[in-house]
Amino acid sequence: EDKVVQSPLSLVVHEGDTVTLNCSYEVTNFRSLLWYKQEKKAPTFLFMLTSSGIEKKSGRLSSILDKKELFSILNITATQTGDSAVYLCAVDHSGAGSYQLTFGKGTKLSVIP
Amino acid sequence: EADIYQTPRYLVIGTGKKITLECSQTMGHDKMYWYQQDPGMELHLIHYSYGVNSTEKGDLSSESTVSRIRTEHFPLTLESARPSHTSQYLCASSEFWRQEAEAFFGQGTRLTVV
Repeated sequence: EDKVVQSPLSLVVHEGDTVTLNCSYEVTNFRSLLWYKQEKKAPTFLFMLTSSGIEKKSGRLSSILDKKELFSILNITATQTGDSAVYLCAVDHSGAGSYQLTFGKGTKLSVIP
Repeated sequence: EADIYQTPRYLVIGTGKKITLECSQTMGHDKMYWYQQDPGMELHLIHYSYGVNSTEKGDLSSESTVSRIRTEHFPLTLESARPSHTSQYLCASSEFWRQEAEAFFGQGTRLTVV
């Protein structure tokens, strides 16, 4: 059974701290791994990773994929209260003629002043 | 900036009513999706479409139906709403020709059936 597991499920940190969110997966026909930030309603896209060992960066956020060990991490440095959200990991494992995108349960990050 | 819109944002409706959740995107994306998300739970794919006149069921069994008559429009219909349909429904779209394209999400519809 295809699955995506995120850890921790919930995390509370102080402003300025650095956090690492984890996502492991077991799927057939891996295509890509995506990270989303969900505030209130709609997830917003952060990163898409397809190649192992190549770090993607956007400001204080960065992510890397390990296709051998089947996991990805999302790092946030110098956290701010605006980083408080649920961070979702999703794996695209679509096959020929079928679309498959499996989401993890998310990590709820709370950044307190 | 992604342009994908869902209406209504919130809906409270009585059991047995027929409802249609609207989703429109102005990006010309071929792929569109509907996800269902209960509070604190992961998103589950309930329907998707590769393009006009294409609709497929997703991982999670759903009593809803969808249609894709126009590229930009992907409405979801519940013929007879029940309390078990209470959830958040998220619509998304992505470019078909890019195999690993990211999906852009609408703001969601929070449905409550009483």
